[in-house]
Amino acid sequence: DQQVKQNSPSLSVQEGRISILNCDYTNSMFDYFLWYKKYPAEGPTFLISISSIKDKNEDGRFTVFLNKSAKHLSLHIVPSQPGDSAVYFCAASASGANSKLTFGKGITLSVRP
Amino acid sequence: GAGVSQSPSNKVTEKGKDVELRCDPISGHTALYWYRQSLGQGLEFLIYFQGNSAPDKSGLPSDRFSAERTGGSVSTLTIQRTQQEDSAVYLCASSLGGGLGYTFGSGTRLTVV
Repeated sequence: DQQVKQNSPSLSVQEGRISILNCDYTNSMFDYFLWYKKYPAEGPTFLISISSIKDKNEDGRFTVFLNKSAKHLSLHIVPSQPGDSAVYFCAASASGANSKLTFGKGITLSVRP
Repeated sequence: GAGVSQSPSNKVTEKGKDVELRCDPISGHTALYWYRQSLGQGLEFLIYFQGNSAPDKSGLPSDRFSAERTGGSVSTLTIQRTQQEDSAVYLCASSLGGGLGYTFGSGTRLTVV
């Protein structure tokens, strides 16, 4: 039972264009959402997060949007750079759930020079 | 240390053998998590330690899996009588607690032949 779903396994975009990575969740108790980035042979690293009291959080080229009614969030990267090529995981947690994160399957982003 | 350290980085073992995977969290981090990533899958939660509280073992897939955390620091994940489906990258993360600021190690790639 996948509570966090990343339905597209891969995305390819041209350098300089926008990358939009989507994530859906089913557990209405989730109230904190995070994106992690993973390069091969390395552990995931934290990228950006958003609390359910917000609908947008921006950090440089990275913006996360949250639509609670649709149980959907997206990560926008603009402009995309070749160094952004990696696997991106969406994760969610619920307050009081001992801070355990539930991850999606990840999406592989390729940014073409 | 500066980051989360996991050893070994790679482990090949014969089916039926026991293996031990080690995790050295960031000094001072009270929370420690084990996840695994099987081929084509997301990060699957295994077990969570927080301070002196009883661990959350709800993600352990079978009784062949166990973990301990000695002295609130180093953790060992033990898999007994390994099976081929245990092949995966086992990731450890630590945090100050609260689900935020997970820092992952680089993982142990386990291959059961």
